[in-house]
Amino acid sequence: QSVLTQPPSVSGAPGQRVTISCTGSSSNIGATYDVHWYQHLPGTAPKLLIYGNTNRPSGVPDRFSGSKSGTSASLAITGLQAEDEAHYYCQSYDSGLSAWVFGGGTKLTVL
Amino acid sequence: QVQLVQSGAEVKKAGASVKVSCKASGYTFTDYYVHWVRQAPGQGLEWMGWINPSSGGTYYAQNFHGWVTMTRDTSIGTAYVELSRLRSDDTAVYYCVRERGGSGTYCIDYWGQGTLVTVSS
Repeated sequence: QSVLTQPPSVSGAPGQRVTISCTGSSSNIGATYDVHWYQHLPGTAPKLLIYGNTNRPSGVPDRFSGSKSGTSASLAITGLQAEDEAHYYCQSYDSGLSAWVFGGGTKLTVL
Repeated sequence: QVQLVQSGAEVKKAGASVKVSCKASGYTFTDYYVHWVRQAPGQGLEWMGWINPSSGGTYYAQNFHGWVTMTRDTSIGTAYVELSRLRSDDTAVYYCVRERGGSGTYCIDYWGQGTLVTVSS
């Protein structure tokens, strides 16, 4: 059972918008620790997609955006493309566990 | 450019030990904490702990206390993780990662390519 909760799967047609939620608690996301998002394509290493809740590293398209409110965060992907099909993970820090924590991951399927 | 290059896949018997290496290049090795993250087949990502390459200080997640050891060799810019008393459920891809900004950001900016460790009974 992951400390951060994500839906196991989401799907959307090309061009559509999808969102992936990440729900935590008062000891992690709610304690003002930042949320980061990673994209994991099959057979490759995960890649940083969003850091510090809302920031995109250089090279990440602006179709990807992040937000955070209270004990939850969200990743939004607009203009869905076939190459966006991947697993997406949220990650933060938990002060109660004194540990970095990940969500269980969400598989995005582009229909 | 920043690269983390890990050693190759390993197959071990239950009860054995394995040591995975992670060679860093493209940046000053001692300026950034190195963490280890693993992913078991069909599972999510699990954080294992970190090493401060400058001091050699370490911190392990609770599940990894007592059987995981992280070390480094600053002369060759390489970090290591050694897993002892392996069990079948330790079968996973092990990633070394760099902490963005050095330390204190709790964010990974670069990942190694991963090392598959298979433990057979």
